[in-house]
Amino acid sequence: GEDVEQSLFLSVREGDSSVINCTYTDSSSTYLYWYKQEPGAGLQLLTYIFSNMDMKQDQRLTVLLNKKDKHLSLRIADTQTGDSAIYFCAEFMGGSYIPTFGRGTSLIVHP
Amino acid sequence: ETGVTQTPRHLVMGMTNKKSLKCEQHLGHNAMYWYKQSAKKPLELMFVYNFKEQTENNSVPSRFSPECPNSSHLFLHLHTLQPEDSALYLCASSQEGIGKAEAFFGQGTRLTVV
Repeated sequence: GEDVEQSLFLSVREGDSSVINCTYTDSSSTYLYWYKQEPGAGLQLLTYIFSNMDMKQDQRLTVLLNKKDKHLSLRIADTQTGDSAIYFCAEFMGGSYIPTFGRGTSLIVHP
Repeated sequence: ETGVTQTPRHLVMGMTNKKSLKCEQHLGHNAMYWYKQSAKKPLELMFVYNFKEQTENNSVPSRFSPECPNSSHLFLHLHTLQPEDSALYLCASSQEGIGKAEAFFGQGTRLTVV
Protein backbone atom coordinates (compact mmCIF):
# COMPACT_ATOMS: atom_id res chain seq x y z
CA GLY A 1 0.00 0.00 0.00
CA GLU A 2 0.91 3.64 -0.23
CA ASP A 3 2.95 5.30 2.49
CA VAL A 4 0.59 8.24 2.86
CA GLU A 5 -3.11 7.70 2.22
CA GLN A 6 -5.90 10.17 1.66
CA SER A 7 -9.42 9.99 0.34
CA LEU A 8 -9.64 11.42 -3.16
CA PHE A 9 -12.66 13.70 -2.98
CA LEU A 10 -14.58 15.82 -0.50
CA SER A 11 -17.59 17.97 -1.30
CA VAL A 12 -18.94 20.56 1.14
CA ARG A 13 -21.33 23.50 1.14
CA GLU A 14 -19.97 27.01 1.50
CA GLY A 15 -19.90 28.04 5.16
CA ASP A 16 -19.65 24.48 6.46
CA SER A 17 -16.52 22.95 7.96
CA SER A 18 -14.33 20.64 5.89
CA VAL A 19 -12.28 17.81 7.38
CA ILE A 20 -9.60 16.21 5.24
CA ASN A 21 -8.02 13.05 6.61
CA CYS A 22 -4.67 11.40 6.09
CA THR A 23 -2.91 8.32 7.42
CA TYR A 24 0.84 7.92 7.32
CA THR A 25 3.23 5.10 8.02
CA ASP A 26 6.44 6.40 9.53
CA SER A 27 6.10 6.97 13.26
CA SER A 28 9.50 8.66 13.30
CA SER A 29 8.33 11.51 11.05
CA THR A 30 9.24 14.68 12.89
CA TYR A 31 7.02 17.07 10.97
CA LEU A 32 3.83 16.48 9.01
CA TYR A 33 2.60 18.91 6.41
CA TRP A 34 -0.45 20.03 4.53
CA TYR A 35 -0.02 21.48 1.06
CA LYS A 36 -2.64 23.15 -1.12
CA GLN A 37 -2.66 23.09 -4.90
CA GLU A 38 -4.95 25.42 -6.79
CA PRO A 39 -5.80 24.67 -10.43
CA GLY A 40 -2.83 25.09 -12.75
CA ALA A 41 -0.43 25.92 -9.93
CA GLY A 42 2.28 24.26 -7.88
CA LEU A 43 1.92 23.04 -4.33
CA GLN A 44 1.88 25.66 -1.61
CA LEU A 45 2.69 24.89 2.01
CA LEU A 46 -0.44 25.51 4.04
CA THR A 47 0.54 24.45 7.52
CA TYR A 48 2.56 21.88 9.41
CA ILE A 49 2.58 20.23 12.80
CA PHE A 50 5.46 19.01 14.90
CA SER A 51 5.13 15.40 15.97
CA ASN A 52 5.07 16.17 19.69
CA MET A 53 1.92 18.25 19.26
CA ASP A 54 -1.69 17.04 19.20
CA MET A 55 -3.23 20.10 17.69
CA LYS A 56 -2.27 23.28 15.91
CA GLN A 57 -4.62 26.10 15.04
CA ASP A 58 -3.92 28.77 12.47
CA GLN A 59 -6.89 31.08 11.77
CA ARG A 60 -9.49 28.92 9.97
CA LEU A 61 -7.21 25.89 9.89
CA THR A 62 -6.95 23.27 12.62
CA VAL A 63 -4.54 20.37 12.35
CA LEU A 64 -5.10 17.34 14.57
CA LEU A 65 -2.48 14.64 15.02
CA ASN A 66 -3.11 11.21 16.49
CA LYS A 67 0.31 9.62 16.70
CA LYS A 68 -0.98 6.33 18.05
CA ASP A 69 -3.13 5.78 14.98
CA LYS A 70 -0.78 7.69 12.64
CA HIS A 71 -3.70 9.85 11.62
CA LEU A 72 -3.55 13.48 10.58
CA SER A 73 -6.49 15.71 9.77
CA LEU A 74 -7.00 19.23 8.46
CA ARG A 75 -10.14 21.07 9.42
CA ILE A 76 -11.12 24.20 7.51
CA ALA A 77 -13.74 26.26 9.29
CA ASP A 78 -16.28 28.36 7.36
CA THR A 79 -15.17 26.87 4.04
CA GLN A 80 -15.21 29.30 1.13
CA THR A 81 -15.33 28.72 -2.63
CA GLY A 82 -11.72 29.93 -2.74
CA ASP A 83 -10.76 26.92 -0.65
CA SER A 84 -11.58 24.63 -3.58
CA ALA A 85 -8.27 22.94 -4.38
CA ILE A 86 -6.35 19.72 -3.96
CA TYR A 87 -4.92 19.19 -0.48
CA PHE A 88 -1.86 17.01 -0.01
CA CYS A 89 -0.65 15.46 3.19
CA ALA A 90 3.13 14.94 3.36
CA GLU A 91 5.73 13.53 5.69
CA PHE A 92 9.46 13.50 5.75
CA MET A 93 10.19 9.93 6.71
CA GLY A 94 12.72 9.33 9.45
CA GLY A 95 16.23 10.24 8.38
CA SER A 96 15.10 11.40 4.96
CA TYR A 97 14.95 14.88 3.49
CA ILE A 98 12.71 13.68 0.66
CA PRO A 99 9.01 14.39 1.20
CA THR A 100 6.47 11.62 0.68
CA PHE A 101 3.09 12.85 -0.51
CA GLY A 102 -0.36 11.38 -0.45
CA ARG A 103 -2.49 11.27 -3.60
CA GLY A 104 -4.24 14.47 -2.64
CA THR A 105 -7.85 15.19 -1.71
CA SER A 106 -9.89 17.31 -4.11
CA LEU A 107 -12.04 19.67 -2.05
CA ILE A 108 -15.08 20.97 -3.91
CA VAL A 109 -17.01 23.79 -2.28
CA HIS A 110 -20.57 24.39 -3.45
CA PRO A 111 -22.18 27.83 -3.13
CA GLU B 1 5.63 33.51 -4.55
CA THR B 2 7.45 30.53 -3.07
CA GLY B 3 11.00 31.43 -4.08
CA VAL B 4 11.13 28.63 -6.66
CA THR B 5 10.70 29.73 -10.28
CA GLN B 6 10.02 27.44 -13.19
CA THR B 7 10.17 28.28 -16.87
CA PRO B 8 8.42 27.96 -19.17
CA ARG B 9 4.96 27.77 -17.59
CA HIS B 10 3.54 26.01 -20.64
CA LEU B 11 5.26 23.97 -23.33
CA VAL B 12 3.94 22.16 -26.37
CA MET B 13 6.41 19.94 -28.16
CA GLY B 14 6.43 17.31 -30.86
CA MET B 15 7.72 13.83 -30.24
CA THR B 16 10.93 14.51 -32.16
CA ASN B 17 11.74 17.80 -30.45
CA LYS B 18 14.35 18.53 -27.79
CA LYS B 19 13.46 21.00 -25.08
CA SER B 20 14.53 21.84 -21.54
CA LEU B 21 12.66 22.82 -18.41
CA LYS B 22 14.36 25.18 -15.99
CA CYS B 23 14.03 25.59 -12.27
CA GLU B 24 15.69 28.22 -10.12
CA GLN B 25 15.67 28.77 -6.36
CA HIS B 26 17.31 31.47 -4.30
CA LEU B 27 16.33 30.11 -0.92
CA GLY B 28 19.75 28.71 -0.12
CA HIS B 29 18.40 25.17 -0.20
CA ASN B 30 20.69 22.27 -0.96
CA ALA B 31 18.17 19.73 -2.24
CA MET B 32 16.14 20.05 -5.43
CA TYR B 33 13.53 17.73 -6.94
CA TRP B 34 11.61 17.03 -10.09
CA TYR B 35 8.08 15.67 -9.72
CA LYS B 36 5.63 14.60 -12.38
CA GLN B 37 1.94 15.17 -11.81
CA SER B 38 -0.41 13.40 -14.20
CA ALA B 39 -4.17 13.38 -14.09
CA LYS B 40 -5.57 10.74 -11.75
CA LYS B 41 -2.11 9.65 -10.54
CA PRO B 42 -0.19 10.37 -7.36
CA LEU B 43 2.61 12.89 -7.41
CA GLU B 44 5.59 10.96 -8.82
CA LEU B 45 9.09 11.76 -7.63
CA MET B 46 11.43 11.64 -10.62
CA PHE B 47 14.84 12.91 -9.54
CA VAL B 48 16.51 14.26 -6.44
CA TYR B 49 19.68 16.29 -6.25
CA ASN B 50 21.43 16.97 -2.99
CA PHE B 51 24.41 19.32 -3.04
CA LYS B 52 24.38 19.03 -6.85
CA GLU B 53 24.71 15.24 -6.73
CA GLN B 54 21.92 13.06 -8.00
CA THR B 55 20.75 10.88 -5.16
CA GLU B 56 17.50 9.48 -6.50
CA ASN B 57 16.35 8.34 -9.91
CA ASN B 58 13.00 6.66 -9.63
CA SER B 59 13.23 4.46 -12.73
CA VAL B 60 12.68 7.40 -15.01
CA PRO B 61 13.05 6.72 -18.77
CA SER B 62 16.24 8.00 -20.34
CA ARG B 63 14.29 10.42 -22.53
CA PHE B 64 14.26 12.56 -19.38
CA SER B 65 17.71 13.82 -18.47
CA PRO B 66 18.28 16.02 -15.41
CA GLU B 67 21.11 18.45 -14.91
CA CYS B 68 22.10 20.36 -11.79
CA PRO B 69 24.97 22.75 -12.53
CA ASN B 70 24.81 24.38 -9.11
CA SER B 71 22.66 24.25 -6.01
CA SER B 72 20.36 27.02 -7.29
CA HIS B 73 19.52 25.64 -10.72
CA LEU B 74 17.97 22.45 -11.96
CA PHE B 75 17.14 21.49 -15.52
CA LEU B 76 15.13 18.69 -17.07
CA HIS B 77 16.18 17.96 -20.64
CA LEU B 78 13.53 16.33 -22.78
CA HIS B 79 13.95 14.44 -26.03
CA THR B 80 11.81 12.06 -28.10
CA LEU B 81 8.96 12.20 -25.62
CA GLN B 82 5.72 10.29 -25.89
CA PRO B 83 2.17 11.65 -25.59
CA GLU B 84 1.82 9.90 -22.21
CA ASP B 85 4.59 12.17 -20.93
CA SER B 86 2.17 15.08 -21.06
CA ALA B 87 1.80 16.26 -17.48
CA LEU B 88 2.55 19.04 -15.03
CA TYR B 89 6.23 18.94 -14.09
CA LEU B 90 6.94 20.41 -10.69
CA CYS B 91 10.25 21.47 -9.26
CA ALA B 92 10.78 21.74 -5.52
CA SER B 93 13.58 22.52 -3.13
CA SER B 94 14.24 21.93 0.54
CA GLN B 95 17.01 22.20 3.07
CA GLU B 96 18.48 18.92 4.18
CA GLY B 97 19.08 18.63 7.85
CA ILE B 98 17.56 17.72 11.13
CA GLY B 99 14.26 19.36 11.89
CA LYS B 100 11.65 21.15 9.87
CA ALA B 101 12.35 20.71 6.20
CA GLU B 102 9.32 21.61 4.18
CA ALA B 103 9.55 21.56 0.41
CA PHE B 104 8.91 24.70 -1.59
CA PHE B 105 7.38 24.21 -5.01
CA GLY B 106 7.49 26.11 -8.24
CA GLN B 107 4.35 26.82 -10.25
CA GLY B 108 5.11 23.95 -12.59
CA THR B 109 5.49 23.57 -16.33
CA ARG B 110 2.44 22.23 -18.13
CA LEU B 111 3.89 20.00 -20.85
CA THR B 112 1.87 18.76 -23.80
CA VAL B 113 3.46 16.28 -26.18
CA VAL B 114 1.80 16.12 -29.59
